[in-house]
Amino acid sequence: EADIYQTPRYLVIGTGKKITLECSQTMGHDKMYWYQQDPGMELHLIHYSYGVNSTEKGDLSSESTVSRIRTEHFPLTLESARPSHTSQYLCASSEYRGGRQETQYFGPGTRLLVL
Amino acid sequence: ILNVEQSPQSLHVQEGDSTNFTCSFPSSNFYALHWYRWETAKSPEALFVMTLNGDEKKKGRISATLNTKEGYSYLYIKGSQPEDSATYLCAWLQTTSGTYKYIFGTGTRLKVLA
Repeated sequence: EADIYQTPRYLVIGTGKKITLECSQTMGHDKMYWYQQDPGMELHLIHYSYGVNSTEKGDLSSESTVSRIRTEHFPLTLESARPSHTSQYLCASSEYRGGRQETQYFGPGTRLLVL
Repeated sequence: ILNVEQSPQSLHVQEGDSTNFTCSFPSSNFYALHWYRWETAKSPEALFVMTLNGDEKKKGRISATLNTKEGYSYLYIKGSQPEDSATYLCAWLQTTSGTYKYIFGTGTRLKVLA
């Protein structure tokens, strides 16, 4: 069983609020990812990190930001939430193995509703 | 971004039936294909990593095949059970200048009726 955690699991918040979605893993994985998924749609990569102090934007443009100060922690922040941010956010991590065999381990996700 | 397509989007089968579904991906520059199972209210869980044309992988009643030349992978479930009910995702590993990114399909939602 993978050891990757996300909090909160569900969040309902008003427009304009700042929110941080937490993601932690205890597997010592260097690589971490944030995906966004709207109902019935694919998971889209919005941010990834290859290690401490490394962050990159994914293929889907996002107004969120991330940080990677510690290996195990990869929080995602929205400075000012809007209804368009309503979605499910999934965090994942993988051990560096040069690509092919890098299985991703996923957290349970955070369902965000912005009113 | 290149597309990964899965079909059908959803299906219902009776307990004991065997079933299969498809993941289609770009056939050029193939690197790897991953299958995941995602049960409601749980985390997606890795099933298989497919890397070579002709690969066949098996885990219990679930197996998968890979055809990289034509760009598809099949996932088979033999004798479906209610606990097989989940969304099955495939992810095509795209490489660009030494970086790797997963491109996911929308998934096939399987419901096994008791």
